Amino acid sequence: AQRVTQPEKLLSVFKGAPVELKCNYSYSGSPELFWYVQYSRQRLQLLLRHISRESIKGFTADLNKGETSFHLKKPFAQEEDSAMYYCALRPPLGGYNKLIFGAGTRLAVHP
Amino acid sequence: DAGVIQSPRHEVTEMGQEVTLRCKPISGHNSLFWYRQTMMRGLELLIYFNNNVPIDDSGMPEDRFSAKMPNASFSTLKIQPSEPRDSAVYFCASRDGGESTDTQYFGPGTRLTVL
Repeated sequence: AQRVTQPEKLLSVFKGAPVELKCNYSYSGSPELFWYVQYSRQRLQLLLRHISRESIKGFTADLNKGETSFHLKKPFAQEEDSAMYYCALRPPLGGYNKLIFGAGTRLAVHP
Repeated sequence: DAGVIQSPRHEVTEMGQEVTLRCKPISGHNSLFWYRQTMMRGLELLIYFNNNVPIDDSGMPEDRFSAKMPNASFSTLKIQPSEPRDSAVYFCASRDGGESTDTQYFGPGTRLTVL
């Protein structure tokens, strides 16, 4: 079954500390993985996608097919990073870009 | 472009009443998605349309839920009759099939409270 697991509902860190939001997926194939973010009072929006291999707002995520993980990392958290983060999977087949989301992790960065 | 538009932004209703949520996708986008967000289950895909045709409604909880997309610029999600457990934030998202980034653009959501 296709599933995205985000084991932490809440991750609380201090400003300047490293951050790692965990995401594991189950899918027999080569899916595309994404991270979406929802800041307070803002719309859910795409943060980054694994095939772009880019760093957005200091965040990076590496797809580890062996561990079926796509953890989101940032070396030094900022208060403005506080938000809800969703990991999502798009099966490579199907053609209509259905996304399967994890339950989300709320990141709270304290001063 | 105002992005994906949803209405109403907030809805409070009593159990048993019919609720209709509305969505206007971004002009030119050919895929539309309805999601439900709860604390317990996170973001769940309810149904999605491609070129106004429902493709996958396996996420629709039960027969009380129905969704339509009569044209490319409008979709509704209806709950009849509503129940307290339907209380959640309902998001609509759209996607441009011709865009290489595969990004889904989300609306602001409708916060539904069923008393």
